[in-house]
Amino acid sequence: KAGVTQTPRYLIKTRGQQVTLSCSPISGHRSVSWYQQTPGQGLQFLFEYFSETQRNKGNFPGRFSGRQFSNSRSEMNVSTLELGDSALYLCASSLEEAGVSPLHFGNGTRLTVT
Amino acid sequence: AQRVTQPEKLLSVFKGAPVELKCNYSYSGSPELFWYVQYSRQRLQLLLRHISRESIKGFTADLNKGETSFHLKKPFAQEEDSAMYYCALSALPNAGGTSYGKLTFGQGTILTVHP
Repeated sequence: KAGVTQTPRYLIKTRGQQVTLSCSPISGHRSVSWYQQTPGQGLQFLFEYFSETQRNKGNFPGRFSGRQFSNSRSEMNVSTLELGDSALYLCASSLEEAGVSPLHFGNGTRLTVT
Repeated sequence: AQRVTQPEKLLSVFKGAPVELKCNYSYSGSPELFWYVQYSRQRLQLLLRHISRESIKGFTADLNKGETSFHLKKPFAQEEDSAMYYCALSALPNAGGTSYGKLTFGQGTILTVHP
Protein backbone atom coordinates (compact mmCIF):
# COMPACT_ATOMS: atom_id res chain seq x y z
CA LYS A 1 0.00 0.00 0.00
CA ALA A 2 1.22 3.47 -0.75
CA GLY A 3 1.93 5.58 2.30
CA VAL A 4 0.53 8.97 3.18
CA THR A 5 1.43 11.43 0.45
CA GLN A 6 1.77 15.14 1.05
CA THR A 7 2.20 17.75 -1.65
CA PRO A 8 4.07 19.88 -2.20
CA ARG A 9 7.18 18.91 -0.24
CA TYR A 10 8.44 22.49 -0.05
CA LEU A 11 6.77 25.87 -0.28
CA ILE A 12 8.06 29.40 -0.02
CA LYS A 13 5.48 32.12 0.47
CA THR A 14 5.42 35.78 1.38
CA ARG A 15 3.71 37.28 4.40
CA GLY A 16 0.06 37.98 3.73
CA GLN A 17 -0.34 35.30 1.10
CA GLN A 18 -2.37 32.17 1.53
CA VAL A 19 -1.37 28.57 0.98
CA THR A 20 -3.08 25.21 0.47
CA LEU A 21 -1.44 21.94 1.43
CA SER A 22 -2.66 18.58 0.27
CA CYS A 23 -2.70 15.15 1.86
CA SER A 24 -3.63 11.79 0.37
CA PRO A 25 -4.17 9.19 3.09
CA ILE A 26 -3.48 5.49 2.89
CA SER A 27 -6.18 3.76 0.90
CA GLY A 28 -9.05 2.77 3.18
CA HIS A 29 -8.12 5.17 5.96
CA ARG A 30 -10.98 7.43 6.98
CA SER A 31 -9.29 9.78 9.41
CA VAL A 32 -6.82 12.51 8.55
CA SER A 33 -5.05 14.62 11.15
CA TRP A 34 -2.81 17.63 10.67
CA TYR A 35 0.09 18.69 12.87
CA GLN A 36 2.45 21.63 12.86
CA GLN A 37 6.04 20.83 13.81
CA THR A 38 8.50 23.53 14.84
CA PRO A 39 11.80 23.35 16.76
CA GLY A 40 10.40 25.46 19.59
CA GLN A 41 6.89 24.03 19.99
CA GLY A 42 7.36 20.49 18.77
CA LEU A 43 4.34 18.70 17.30
CA GLN A 44 1.13 20.61 17.76
CA PHE A 45 -2.29 19.31 16.79
CA LEU A 46 -4.15 21.37 14.21
CA PHE A 47 -7.28 19.37 13.43
CA GLU A 48 -8.69 15.95 12.68
CA TYR A 49 -11.20 14.93 10.06
CA PHE A 50 -13.16 11.73 10.01
CA SER A 51 -15.58 10.91 7.20
CA GLU A 52 -15.49 14.52 5.99
CA THR A 53 -16.33 15.97 9.42
CA GLN A 54 -13.94 17.99 11.51
CA ARG A 55 -14.09 16.29 14.88
CA ASN A 56 -11.47 18.18 16.77
CA LYS A 57 -9.45 21.36 16.42
CA GLY A 58 -6.31 22.53 18.16
CA ASN A 59 -5.53 25.98 19.52
CA PHE A 60 -4.74 27.71 16.28
CA PRO A 61 -6.27 30.91 14.91
CA GLY A 62 -9.07 30.83 12.40
CA ARG A 63 -6.56 31.51 9.61
CA PHE A 64 -5.90 27.77 9.73
CA SER A 65 -8.64 25.71 8.16
CA GLY A 66 -9.05 22.41 6.48
CA ARG A 67 -11.41 20.06 4.83
CA GLN A 68 -11.74 16.43 3.87
CA PHE A 69 -13.24 15.12 0.67
CA SER A 70 -15.39 12.08 0.11
CA ASN A 71 -12.35 10.08 -1.02
CA SER A 72 -10.71 10.94 2.35
CA ARG A 73 -8.13 13.23 0.77
CA SER A 74 -7.62 16.35 2.82
CA GLU A 75 -6.46 19.89 2.31
CA MET A 76 -5.25 22.43 4.79
CA ASN A 77 -5.37 26.15 4.12
CA VAL A 78 -3.56 28.96 5.86
CA SER A 79 -4.62 32.49 5.00
CA THR A 80 -2.81 35.77 5.64
CA LEU A 81 0.48 34.03 6.29
CA GLU A 82 2.72 35.23 9.10
CA LEU A 83 6.43 34.62 9.61
CA GLY A 84 5.59 32.40 12.57
CA ASP A 85 3.70 30.01 10.32
CA SER A 86 7.00 28.73 8.95
CA ALA A 87 7.04 25.09 9.95
CA LEU A 88 6.85 21.50 8.84
CA TYR A 89 3.21 20.53 8.39
CA LEU A 90 2.55 16.86 8.90
CA CYS A 91 -0.48 14.94 7.82
CA ALA A 92 -1.35 11.58 9.32
CA SER A 93 -4.04 9.11 8.42
CA SER A 94 -5.56 6.30 10.42
CA LEU A 95 -7.97 3.51 9.67
CA GLU A 96 -10.44 4.63 12.31
CA GLU A 97 -10.57 7.68 14.52
CA ALA A 98 -7.21 9.05 15.60
CA GLY A 99 -6.48 7.68 19.03
CA VAL A 100 -8.26 4.42 18.23
CA SER A 101 -6.07 3.42 15.31
CA PRO A 102 -2.40 4.30 15.03
CA LEU A 103 -1.40 7.32 12.99
CA HIS A 104 0.55 6.89 9.77
CA PHE A 105 2.48 10.04 8.93
CA GLY A 106 3.47 11.59 5.66
CA ASN A 107 6.85 13.19 5.01
CA GLY A 108 5.43 16.64 5.54
CA THR A 109 5.31 19.93 3.69
CA ARG A 110 8.03 22.40 4.66
CA LEU A 111 6.51 25.90 4.56
CA THR A 112 8.78 28.92 4.68
CA VAL A 113 7.20 32.36 5.02
CA THR A 114 9.40 35.32 4.14
CA ALA B 1 -6.44 19.60 29.22
CA GLN B 2 -3.87 16.97 28.41
CA ARG B 3 -0.15 17.36 28.59
CA VAL B 4 2.84 15.11 27.86
CA THR B 5 6.28 15.80 29.26
CA GLN B 6 9.52 14.22 28.15
CA PRO B 7 12.08 15.64 30.55
CA GLU B 8 15.16 14.65 28.56
CA LYS B 9 15.78 16.39 25.27
CA LEU B 10 18.95 14.36 24.66
CA LEU B 11 19.95 10.91 25.89
CA SER B 12 23.22 9.16 25.14
CA VAL B 13 24.09 5.57 25.96
CA PHE B 14 26.60 3.01 24.79
CA LYS B 15 25.68 -0.05 22.78
CA GLY B 16 24.56 -2.87 25.03
CA ALA B 17 23.61 -0.58 27.91
CA PRO B 18 20.03 -0.34 29.18
CA VAL B 19 18.05 2.67 28.09
CA GLU B 20 14.99 4.36 29.55
CA LEU B 21 13.21 7.26 27.92
CA LYS B 22 10.94 9.03 30.34
CA CYS B 23 7.41 10.18 29.67
CA ASN B 24 4.99 11.74 32.14
CA TYR B 25 1.48 12.78 31.33
CA SER B 26 -1.30 14.86 32.75
CA TYR B 27 -4.87 13.94 31.88
CA SER B 28 -7.96 13.65 34.02
CA GLY B 29 -9.61 10.88 32.02
CA SER B 30 -8.56 7.46 30.74
CA PRO B 31 -5.56 7.84 28.46
CA GLU B 32 -4.26 5.82 25.59
CA LEU B 33 -0.49 6.20 25.31
CA PHE B 34 1.86 5.73 22.42
CA TRP B 35 5.51 5.92 21.55
CA TYR B 36 6.38 7.18 18.08
CA VAL B 37 9.87 7.11 16.59
CA GLN B 38 11.56 9.00 13.79
CA TYR B 39 14.77 7.52 12.40
CA SER B 40 17.12 9.67 10.36
CA ARG B 41 15.56 10.66 7.02
CA GLN B 42 12.44 8.59 7.69
CA ARG B 43 8.92 9.58 8.53
CA LEU B 44 7.45 9.50 12.00
CA GLN B 45 6.10 6.04 12.77
CA LEU B 46 4.42 4.19 15.58
CA LEU B 47 6.75 2.17 17.80
CA LEU B 48 4.28 0.82 20.31
CA ARG B 49 1.05 1.58 22.10
CA HIS B 50 -0.06 0.82 25.62
CA ILE B 51 -3.22 -1.00 24.71
CA SER B 52 -1.33 -3.58 22.63
CA ARG B 53 1.00 -4.51 25.49
CA GLU B 54 3.60 -5.79 23.06
CA SER B 55 7.35 -5.50 22.72
CA ILE B 56 8.62 -3.94 19.51
CA LYS B 57 12.32 -4.07 18.57
CA GLY B 58 13.03 -5.03 22.18
CA PHE B 59 11.30 -1.95 23.57
CA THR B 60 8.59 -2.12 26.21
CA ALA B 61 6.58 0.53 28.00
CA ASP B 62 4.45 0.19 31.08
CA LEU B 63 1.65 2.53 32.01
CA ASN B 64 1.91 3.57 35.64
CA LYS B 65 -1.31 5.37 36.46
CA GLY B 66 -0.19 6.18 39.98
CA GLU B 67 2.88 8.03 38.74
CA THR B 68 1.18 9.06 35.47
CA SER B 69 4.15 7.77 33.53
CA PHE B 70 4.73 5.69 30.41
CA HIS B 71 8.48 5.22 30.26
CA LEU B 72 10.05 3.42 27.30
CA LYS B 73 12.68 0.81 28.13
CA LYS B 74 15.09 -1.47 26.38
CA PRO B 75 17.55 -3.69 28.25
CA PHE B 76 20.31 -3.62 25.63
CA ALA B 77 20.48 -0.63 23.31
CA GLN B 78 21.64 -1.02 19.71
CA GLU B 79 23.18 1.59 17.41
CA GLU B 80 20.14 1.35 15.12
CA ASP B 81 17.97 2.56 17.99
CA SER B 82 19.43 6.05 17.56
CA ALA B 83 16.45 8.24 16.68
CA MET B 84 14.00 10.83 17.93
CA TYR B 85 11.35 9.36 20.22
CA TYR B 86 8.00 10.97 20.96
CA CYS B 87 5.54 10.02 23.65
CA ALA B 88 1.91 10.78 22.80
CA LEU B 89 -1.46 10.64 24.52
CA SER B 90 -5.04 10.45 23.38
CA ALA B 91 -8.32 9.91 25.15
CA LEU B 92 -9.78 6.43 25.02
CA PRO B 93 -12.77 6.05 22.69
CA ASN B 94 -15.34 5.94 25.47
CA ALA B 95 -14.02 9.13 27.02
CA GLY B 96 -15.56 11.41 24.41
CA GLY B 97 -15.29 15.13 24.97
CA THR B 98 -12.83 17.43 23.32
CA SER B 99 -9.79 15.26 23.89
CA TYR B 100 -10.96 12.37 21.79
CA GLY B 101 -9.55 12.17 18.31
CA LYS B 102 -6.38 14.12 18.87
CA LEU B 103 -2.93 13.09 19.96
CA THR B 104 -0.90 15.30 22.24
CA PHE B 105 2.83 14.80 21.76
CA GLY B 106 5.73 15.41 24.08
CA GLN B 107 8.69 17.48 22.91
CA GLY B 108 10.67 14.40 22.01
CA THR B 109 13.92 12.82 23.15
CA ILE B 110 16.87 12.33 20.82
CA LEU B 111 18.48 9.02 21.66
CA THR B 112 22.04 8.42 20.55
CA VAL B 113 23.55 4.98 20.98
CA HIS B 114 27.34 5.02 20.74
CA PRO B 115 29.33 2.00 19.50
